[in-house]
Amino acid sequence: NAGVMQNPRHLVRRRGQEARLRCSPMKGHSHVYWYRQLPEEGLKFMVYLQKENIIDESGMPKERFSAEFPKEGPSILRIQQVVRGDSAAYFCASSPQQGGDSPLHFGNGTRLTVT
Amino acid sequence: LAKTTQPISMDSYEGQEVNITCSHNNIATNDYITWYQQFPSQGPRFIIQGYKTKVTNEVASLFIPADRKSSTLSLPRVSLSDTAVYYCLVGIIGTASKLTFGTGTRLQVTL
Repeated sequence: NAGVMQNPRHLVRRRGQEARLRCSPMKGHSHVYWYRQLPEEGLKFMVYLQKENIIDESGMPKERFSAEFPKEGPSILRIQQVVRGDSAAYFCASSPQQGGDSPLHFGNGTRLTVT
Repeated sequence: LAKTTQPISMDSYEGQEVNITCSHNNIATNDYITWYQQFPSQGPRFIIQGYKTKVTNEVASLFIPADRKSSTLSLPRVSLSDTAVYYCLVGIIGTASKLTFGTGTRLQVTL
């Protein structure tokens, strides 16, 4: 059973370009979460999605950032007009259902570098 | 929002038992306690989860006192490969905004 797959593993963008990060949850998981991690810091929650629905985007910056989880295909985190401060590791996690006894399963992240 | 407090770092020798304690004074009735391990350049890996008392799996044990205001992750006979950052999370899946990662505990295991 494949784990959470994220691609690309590394992404380099120039300031002003767009970054698209993809996440395929574990098989059978319908809940996806995105986190951002700056160097030497913990993970910061960004957004929680179920298929075709954004459930909680309270951690997402109001501008330039968007996320989707379509009926078919991976979840996408999109960052428009990237700036140097967007450089970070972005992790995706999935769970099979809502509930306290369903731990999150994380991918190995996408490391975004903005030059 | 159940904030967690952990030691910033710990050192251990290989073969010793390591106990990492997490304080979560404001834990809510429905909150679970989950511990993750993270190696450099990798995503967090689930270690163990519990609600109360003691939970044990093939990797670790989790001790939770009756008041649930703290929890202790116990790693038996650590090896060099256990060098990592360990995070304690308190909350409910599905309310991910409350699943706050702190700065974690950086465990360094040496010979």
